[in-house]
Amino acid sequence: DIQMTQSPSSLSASVGDRVTITCRASQDIKISLAWYQQKPGKAPKLLIYTASRLESGVPSRFSGSGSGTDYTLTISSLQPDDFATYYCQQYYRSPWTFGQGTKVETK
Amino acid sequence: EVQLVESGGGLVQPGGSLRLSCAASGFIFSRHSMNWVRQAPGKGLEWVSYISYSSSNKYYTDSVKGRFTIFRDNANNSLYLQMNSLRGEDTAIYYCVRAQYDANGESYLDYWGQGTLVTVSS
Repeated sequence: DIQMTQSPSSLSASVGDRVTITCRASQDIKISLAWYQQKPGKAPKLLIYTASRLESGVPSRFSGSGSGTDYTLTISSLQPDDFATYYCQQYYRSPWTFGQGTKVETK
Repeated sequence: EVQLVESGGGLVQPGGSLRLSCAASGFIFSRHSMNWVRQAPGKGLEWVSYISYSSSNKYYTDSVKGRFTIFRDNANNSLYLQMNSLRGEDTAIYYCVRAQYDANGESYLDYWGQGTLVTVSS
């Protein structure tokens, strides 16, 4: 199975901050990488697919980058609505696997 | 508007069975592969099972192989997960999730239902 390692597991930030979350795969996943946002009591929401493609309706302050084994989700200017948990997921090989999540909290 | 509505969750004893259902609307169900993803209380996300649009391909995570069966009814826009021999570690919210293909032909998870809670306990 492909292991996905996210870092950090949590971070504290303020509105307006630039936030970066990283995800490392245990092997090359050829940009078959998605990012999701989840708020308490809600289903995950797709933000990014194919490592850098922004899902329709997602604000442009979210961006993704990376290739091979290393990927990044960036929030350029954190907004109040962005405090949530973020997960990366590889869909290159079954079983599809998720990172352990990064909780973005208010500083 | 894409909608995925799960049902069938509840409290079941260890060793028992449960069938989850997912009613899909707002898109052509028969053209999309579908998945079940679960989340144990306070934990992260775990992919459980996949079924292709025509039911020709089915995949499972190792921990549920031989116990869970995924199937679908394209005529009625419905997805199912038959869960047998349930264990405490199967306790989770189960999400019905649509798959979409990217430019490389790989399928990612785009729309998620609200989930249904399965609790396995005596």
